[in-house]
Order: sequence, then structure tokens, then C-alpha cells
Amino acid sequence: DGGITQSPKYLFRKEGQNVTLSCEQNLNHDAMYWYRQDPGQGLRLIYYSQIVNDFQKGDIAEGYSVSREKKESFPLTVTSAQKNPTAFYLCASSIVSNRDEAFFGQGTRLTVV
Amino acid sequence: GNSVTQMEGPVTLSEEAFLTINCTYTATGYPSLFWYVQYPGEGLQLLLKATKADDKGSNKGFEATYRKETTSFHLEKGSVQVSDSAVYFCALPHLYGNNRLAFGKGNQVVVIP
Repeated sequence: DGGITQSPKYLFRKEGQNVTLSCEQNLNHDAMYWYRQDPGQGLRLIYYSQIVNDFQKGDIAEGYSVSREKKESFPLTVTSAQKNPTAFYLCASSIVSNRDEAFFGQGTRLTVV
Repeated sequence: GNSVTQMEGPVTLSEEAFLTINCTYTATGYPSLFWYVQYPGEGLQLLLKATKADDKGSNKGFEATYRKETTSFHLEKGSVQVSDSAVYFCALPHLYGNNRLAFGKGNQVVVIP
């Protein structure tokens, strides 16, 4: 079955540590996205990529980094520079158009301990 | 860029009641409009979409009509069930020719037996 997979589902990090969230898709989509979700704030875009080896900052990119070395994969690193990293992170993918929907993974809940 | 506004606050209603969630949009051109649903602890799933003015999207008893006169895309369901309890997001492409999505803040719907 085609889909988008995020791992792990739950992640705990000590303050000061970097952590990488995985996102893989087998839908053959060119575009991939990372969103952050906090209670009462909806979804906010962190980074997005419309083609391999290229990506753009979204609205809240500070303290995050990404790479897009393969079409299928778009990992997100939460660095120690992110002051408030505890959140629910959602990865999505889509074809590049303004007519078609994005498909979402199941999310990763990151907690700083 | 384009944007959507959803009505404020959670929605609590009894089983078999009529549900309406308001969504208005500001957009250049006539992009597709989407409603997504998020069940507890999960990612977002596409509920329905409309790709042009006067289109009606429908799925699982939910409906929404793309109205350019009122720039609205309100979500309705005639008889809700407890299983419809979830968060509902209205969305559209952020910019013409780019389907990075802009989301509303979401509405928590709680259906009481």
C-alpha cells in the first residue's frame, strides 16, 4: 500500500540534544512538508521541499534543519537551538499542483525531558 | 498568500444533531479547497475537497460547497455520530501554483451520546 510513514511515534529528548524525525513516502510525490502542531494553534509549516536537493523555510524554521537527498525521504532534525521543541510533528507529501491534496503521516510526538 | 478563517472555539453537540463548521477564505484565483479531519493521536486525513466554484465535496455524510460569492466553504453534516468526534481543519494552497497548504486553526468537535 502506498503511504507516508513517520517514525518513531513517540520520542523523548533531553534538553541540549539534537534529534531526527524520519519521514518516508512511497507515493512518488515530488513535494514534502513538515508541520508542527501545538494545542490551539493549528498547523504551522516548518520546512517544505518541492524537488530533491532543494527545500525552503516555512513560517517557523528557526531551530530546525532538513535534507532532501532522496525523493522518498525528508528527515527533520530538531536542534538544541529550538527553545520549545515539545510538540506533535506531522509530515506530508503531495504532487506539485494547486489542485491536489496533501497526504499526511501519523505524526511523531516529541517530548523534551 | 491565501488564507482561511475558521469559527472560534470547540463545538459540542448531541448525537444525531446537525453540524455546521464555518470556513471563509481569502485567495488569489480559485484554488482547490479542502477539509481535513484529525482523530485523537493521529495525523490528518482528507475528508473532502472541491476544485472549482460551485463544486460540492462530500464524504461520509459530510458536505461542503465552494461558494465564491461569499468566499466560504462551510462543512455540514445532517446527523452526527459519536465517532465524528475529532478536530476539523479547513485548508487551501498558500499561493497560486504551489500546494503548500494554509490551514485554519481547527475546530474540536465533541459528540455526546
